[in-house]
Amino acid sequence: DAKTTQPPSMDCAEGRAANLPCNHSTISGNEYVYWYRQIHSQGPQYIIHGLKNNETNEMASLIITEDRKSSTLILPHATLRDTAVYYCIVRVAPGSNDYKLSFGAGTTVTVRA
Amino acid sequence: GAVVSQHPSWVICKSGTSVKIECRSLDFQATTMFWYRQFPKQSLMLMATSNEGSKATYEQGVEKDKFLINHASLTLSTLTVTSAHPEDSSFYICSAMDRNTEAFFGQGTRLTVV
Repeated sequence: DAKTTQPPSMDCAEGRAANLPCNHSTISGNEYVYWYRQIHSQGPQYIIHGLKNNETNEMASLIITEDRKSSTLILPHATLRDTAVYYCIVRVAPGSNDYKLSFGAGTTVTVRA
Repeated sequence: GAVVSQHPSWVICKSGTSVKIECRSLDFQATTMFWYRQFPKQSLMLMATSNEGSKATYEQGVEKDKFLINHASLTLSTLTVTSAHPEDSSFYICSAMDRNTEAFFGQGTRLTVV
């Protein structure tokens, strides 16, 4: 019972912005949107998360629609090292008794020179 | 971000033997740890959740007697694959968090059973 829907793959050019969409139409009011990525043969790496406001950190920006039914992860200047599988996950905040990180299929992002 | 160390990075074992994988949180106390398994070209599958000092909670379909999880301290959890068989060959990944942080992941352990 997938909570998020992501495109299976996308290509982007090195140096350009990469916009990764995610649909989460059944998100609950207390659920956050989290993004992780997994570079081949490594453990997942936390990127960013948000509840309803847009967020930015040194890695990426997260844009969440006003109805919270979808979001976009933006890698502002993609590099070859950003090639990875990107996972969009909805879950309750840390501190909740029902905390689990369940991974869907994710989006395989290939950055090309 | 916080550091989670997993050991070993890879292991090859003979069929029928047991293998222990360690997961340590190096700079924070992990009240909760998660164990995942990932087969080639597939996503991570949650196997079990463990809270420090408690028995692990296993996901449906995961054999608790085969995959023994111990979370005896706030910085260490272990996964023991007992009587390993070739079909247990996989990439095992742990994740750790305390009550108010995000989940951080280890680098994974590649298990090959021959």
